[in-house]
Amino acid sequence: DIQMTQSPSSLAASLGDRVTITCRASQSINNYLNWYQQKPGKAPKLLIFSASSLQSGVPSRFSGSGSGTDFTLTISSLQPEDFTTYYCQQSYSTPHTFGQGTKLEI
Amino acid sequence: EAQLVQSGAEVKKPGESLRISCKGSGYSFTNYWISWVRQMPGKGLEWMGTIDPSDYYIKYNPSFQGHVTISVDKSISSAYLQWSSLKASDTAMYYCARHHLSSSPFDYWGQGTLLTVSS
Repeated sequence: DIQMTQSPSSLAASLGDRVTITCRASQSINNYLNWYQQKPGKAPKLLIFSASSLQSGVPSRFSGSGSGTDFTLTISSLQPEDFTTYYCQQSYSTPHTFGQGTKLEI
Repeated sequence: EAQLVQSGAEVKKPGESLRISCKGSGYSFTNYWISWVRQMPGKGLEWMGTIDPSDYYIKYNPSFQGHVTISVDKSISSAYLQWSSLKASDTAMYYCARHHLSSSPFDYWGQGTLLTVSS
């Protein structure tokens, strides 16, 4: 199985900050890397697919980059609704593993 | 717009059986795979397995194979996750999600089904 390691596990930031979350795969996954946002009590929501493509309707302050084994999710200017949990996921091969999550806190 | 609607919360006893459902609407059901994802209380997301409704092809996460069964009924655009003998450790939220190809991102998710298994 491909292991996905996110860092940090939690991150404290302020409104308007620029933050970056990292996801590392245990082997190359090309660009089969997706990012999801999950708010408490809700289903995950797709933010970024194929490492850097913004899902329709997602604000442009979210961006993704990377290929191979190392990937990043960047939020350019934190808004109040962004303080929640983020997961990366590889869809290169099954099982489609997720990272352990990053909780973004004020 | 596409929508996945899951069956309601369940409270079961260890050893009981259960089938939960996920009904797709607003899109061509057979054009998208359905995956199931587990989230244990306070924990992260775990991919359990997937089914292609067009040909009934199923792929399980080895960690879940043998304990759950994934199926689909194309005639009513519904996918299912089934247990024959529940354990307390099955207590979790279960989500279904659709994806266009096996390697595609999960673009629409169900609202989740909360399963509580307790004696």
